[in-house]
Amino acid sequence: QPVLTQSSSASASLGSSVKLTCTLSSGHSTYIIAWHQQQPGKAPRYLMRLESSGGYKKGSGVPYRFSGSSSGADRYLTISNLQSEDEADYYCETWDNNIQVFGGGTKVTVL
Amino acid sequence: EVQLVESGGTLVQPGGSLRLSCAASGLTFRTYWMSWVRQAPGKGLEWVANIKVDGSEKNYVDSVKGRFTISRDNAKNSLYLQMNSLRAEDTAVYYCATAGWTLDVYWGQGTLVTVSS
Repeated sequence: QPVLTQSSSASASLGSSVKLTCTLSSGHSTYIIAWHQQQPGKAPRYLMRLESSGGYKKGSGVPYRFSGSSSGADRYLTISNLQSEDEADYYCETWDNNIQVFGGGTKVTVL
Repeated sequence: EVQLVESGGTLVQPGGSLRLSCAASGLTFRTYWMSWVRQAPGKGLEWVANIKVDGSEKNYVDSVKGRFTISRDNAKNSLYLQMNSLRAEDTAVYYCATAGWTLDVYWGQGTLVTVSS
């Protein structure tokens, strides 16, 4: 099964940008992933589906400042013009033969 | 508007059983693979189980195999998770969600299961 590796934390100033990384394990570099956001005390929210080509499709209502990109086994989530409500945990997810896997999550702090 | 509403979470003793339900509305439920995902206190998300659109395929994380059973009733737009032989480590908020590979992923608000004596 694939393994997803995420940094435990990231921080950036209000109005700046932050780029989060999700790394797929060896042999799984072409896998599609999904990004989810979980604000404090709330349920997760789907952000986007991201392909190995870097193409992505966002969920309904996801702000323009969220974008995705890819390089090799790395999948990125970039948040531009960081807002206070973007302070949250961000999880990547993938799947293989209908078995789902989540990364450990990255906690984003807005300074 | 899509809504997934979980229910059934409560305090249960170790070794006990519990059935969670998820009522879906605003989507064509019978066309979606459905999942249960849990989150232990202060921890990350963990996939638990999923089920194919017609119930013909079910998958589980190793830690719940043989103890948990996922099922669905498309006529009632409902998803279920029967949990038996519960352990302290099953304590978590359980979320109902459409499977990650669906083009639109929806999450419920979660229901808390506490396993403690």
